[in-house]
Amino acid sequence: DAGVTQSPTHLIKTRGQQVTLRCSPISGHKSVSWYQQVLGQGPQFIFQYYEKEERGRGNFPDRFSARQFPNYSSELNVNALLLGDSALYLCASSPDRGLAKNIQYFGAGTRLSVL
Amino acid sequence: GQNIDQPTEMTATEGAIVQINCTYQTSGFNGLFWYQQHAGEAPTFLSYNVLDGLEEKGRFSSFLSRSKGYSYLLLKELQMKDSASYLCAVRSYNTDKLIFGTGTRLQVFP
Repeated sequence: DAGVTQSPTHLIKTRGQQVTLRCSPISGHKSVSWYQQVLGQGPQFIFQYYEKEERGRGNFPDRFSARQFPNYSSELNVNALLLGDSALYLCASSPDRGLAKNIQYFGAGTRLSVL
Repeated sequence: GQNIDQPTEMTATEGAIVQINCTYQTSGFNGLFWYQQHAGEAPTFLSYNVLDGLEEKGRFSSFLSRSKGYSYLLLKELQMKDSASYLCAVRSYNTDKLIFGTGTRLQVFP
């Protein structure tokens, strides 16, 4: 079975631009979460979506937005990019039933560099 | 507030045992997770504790004490491939949100 897939793997943008990151969850997983990981730090929670509805939002500005599609894939959008947005953006999915219900499985991430 | 503390770096020798500690203070608790992350790669799930006690899974074991806000990850028979960052994370109640510590970078030497 395929794991969580994210695209693109790397991205370079300049300040003020907008970016869209994409995530496909593990088949059957309805919950998708987004995290930002700055070098040397642990991941920071940005959003959680379940069944296309936002279930949680972290302490990030309104420049960050996300959505989930009927096939449970998700997009993270960041507007008006700042240098400080340079980070690894991780997507995680989790099942809503079974023994692994509470476990989040991460994709390899999108490394965003803002110049 | 919410705070998770773990050592920044640790070193150990191949074949040895190492214990990585994690203390937490969170407003809600619904489980503690350990993830392994090699440089430039995705975090990989290692263990999940929701009740007090020890969970053993091969060379890896994880312990939780909810009353003390304390957990540890025990790695036995260390191998060079165990060199990685180990992330402690707490799950908030009624949500999938994980609150991560900064991670412990473990270096295993021959």
